[in-house]
Amino acid sequence: GAVVSQHPSRVICKSGTSVKIECRSLDFQATTMFWYRQFPKKSLMLMATSNEGSKATYEQGVEKDKFLINHASLTLSTLTVTSAHPEDSSFYICSARDQLHEQYFGPGTRLTVT
Amino acid sequence: KQEVTQIPAALSVPEGENLVLNCSFTDSAIYNLQWFRQDPGKGLTSLLLIQSSQREQTSGRLNASLDKSSGRSTLYIAASQPGDSATYLCAVLNTNAGKSTFGDGTTLTVKP
Repeated sequence: GAVVSQHPSRVICKSGTSVKIECRSLDFQATTMFWYRQFPKKSLMLMATSNEGSKATYEQGVEKDKFLINHASLTLSTLTVTSAHPEDSSFYICSARDQLHEQYFGPGTRLTVT
Repeated sequence: KQEVTQIPAALSVPEGENLVLNCSFTDSAIYNLQWFRQDPGKGLTSLLLIQSSQREQTSGRLNASLDKSSGRSTLYIAASQPGDSATYLCAVLNTNAGKSTFGDGTTLTVKP
């Protein structure tokens, strides 16, 4: 199957700083990527849909100024958590959809804000 | 609004048993349905994808079925193994939606 990578896999940052997470589709072009957040023992919560070359579509309740999404190319989307706070600590997962509308997920990024 | 439900929330079986995981959805206008596996602290691994025109898909010991009219999908796991222990999620992509709707998952434990 197709491969989606995320970097970094783990990051620890201080409160007030910003963190960027990258999501790459390694062997296919993805016009659409998705960013999810997952709390312990909970299912995925969709944060936003990232469309190449246009603004991301955010889900209700997700602050677009806090979670900046950029999808500058067909293989790369980035999520920047700005002015991070401890409550932003979570597991962030991206996915990319191919032309057959099959979703492939990245391995996730564990963010800890101290 | 599409709603996806997975039953049971948790399941524990002895090794070697065959089992069925259930996924139901409220809106039958779907494009596809996908089953995933998630291990603790990891991302999701795609297991099977069923297009709306298909009735089932098979991969090894896994078989997924789709009945759009009743809004149901099942994931059948044959001869379960301890390595099958994980959380299994189903996701439905609606015809006119750009995003998938996920169920809350079934956490499977296969005891040796």
